[in-house]
Amino acid sequence: DGGITQSPKYLFRKEGQNVTLSCEQNLNHDAMYWYRQDPGQGLRLIYYSQIVNDFQKGDIAEGYSVSREKKESFPLTVTSAQKNPTAFYLCASSWGQGRGGYTFGSGTRLTVV
Amino acid sequence: DQQVKQNSPSLSVQEGRISILNCDYTNSMFDYFLWYKKYPAEGPTFLISISSIKDKNEDGRFTVFLNKSAKHLSLHIVPSQPGDSAVYFCAASVRYGGATNKLIFGTGTLLAVQP
Repeated sequence: DGGITQSPKYLFRKEGQNVTLSCEQNLNHDAMYWYRQDPGQGLRLIYYSQIVNDFQKGDIAEGYSVSREKKESFPLTVTSAQKNPTAFYLCASSWGQGRGGYTFGSGTRLTVV
Repeated sequence: DQQVKQNSPSLSVQEGRISILNCDYTNSMFDYFLWYKKYPAEGPTFLISISSIKDKNEDGRFTVFLNKSAKHLSLHIVPSQPGDSAVYFCAASVRYGGATNKLIFGTGTLLAVQP
């Protein structure tokens, strides 16, 4: 049963800590994406990757980092440099250029305490 | 700069009636449009899409209309059902970074279908 798995579902971070959000897909999709959702702001693109070992910054990449060492995995690290990290984070994947739409994971809710 | 706008944050309709969700965009380079449905604490799920060379696409109870001259997109749900209650995101596809397309999302409209 193919899909995208994000973990954990809920994550709490102390001020000044880095945290890593996991995203794994078994759809054999080439491209993977990270979005952030805030109330009233829709989904904003953080990073995306078209192929293994390559990734590009999205619209709000500051304070985040990613890696793409395997086709199936695209973890997102929220660093201490991210000024307002509390949000709902969504990972997605797609074939090629994504014209067929993205498949999204179920999301991770990150809260800074 | 919000290139994809959903000006109605919420919409309430009676079960069995038509739901019309609207979306406006500013970038004439968008060439593909999609609608996603999202329940709380879940990821969005793809609903329906339309290419910019068409003006209508229908899939069961869902129809998307595209008016390129007005840069306006709408999603019609007929008849509306209580299970349709969710947040609906409009998204537009644009070439980004030379070799790929990315989706730009609107802010979403919360649809509530009353039994």
